[in-house]
Amino acid sequence: DIQMTQSPSSVSASVGDRVTITCRASQGISSWLAWYQQKPGKAPKLLIYAASSLQSGVPSRFSGSGSGTDFTLTISSLQPEDFATYYCQQANSFPRITFGQGTRLEIK
Amino acid sequence: EVQLVESGGGLVQPGGSLRLSCAASGFTVSSNYMSWVRQAPGKGLEWVSVIYSGGSTYYADSVKGRFTISRDNSKNTLYLQMNSLRAEDTAVYYCARERTMTEFDYWGQGTLVTVSS
Repeated sequence: DIQMTQSPSSVSASVGDRVTITCRASQGISSWLAWYQQKPGKAPKLLIYAASSLQSGVPSRFSGSGSGTDFTLTISSLQPEDFATYYCQQANSFPRITFGQGTRLEIK
Repeated sequence: EVQLVESGGGLVQPGGSLRLSCAASGFTVSSNYMSWVRQAPGKGLEWVSVIYSGGSTYYADSVKGRFTISRDNSKNTLYLQMNSLRAEDTAVYYCARERTMTEFDYWGQGTLVTVSS
């Protein structure tokens, strides 16, 4: 299976900050990468698909980039509602989809 | 409006069985790829199983031979039959719609399965 490694595991930031989360695949996955946001007690929410495409309804402060093995999720200006856990997910080895271990974004 | 509603979770003893249901509305289950994804308490997300629109099914190695995914087209409902349950199967189970072998665009609210004596 393709392993997905996110860094950092947790990050503290303030409202208005720019935050970047990294996801690395154990082998090349082209652009078959998605990002999700999950708040406590809630289901994950799709933010980005195909590495850099913004899901409908998601604010434009979220952006994704990368291809091959290295990917990033950037939040340009943190809002209070953005504090959550973020997961990357690869679909290159469909149906054996795998997720990163998650990055917890906390308020500083 | 697309909606997925899971049910059937609960407390079960090791070695026991449980069937989860996921009732869909706003789209047709049989025309989509549908998956189950689980999340152990305080842990990350783990893909469990998928059923293709054509009916093919696939499973994670951790549940192969114990879990069975199926659907009832007349009820527009997805199922997960879980047998020989183990403590490590304890998790919130989500059903999710896959956007054609790529990402999950809709998720249910989840149902908690606890395997304990």
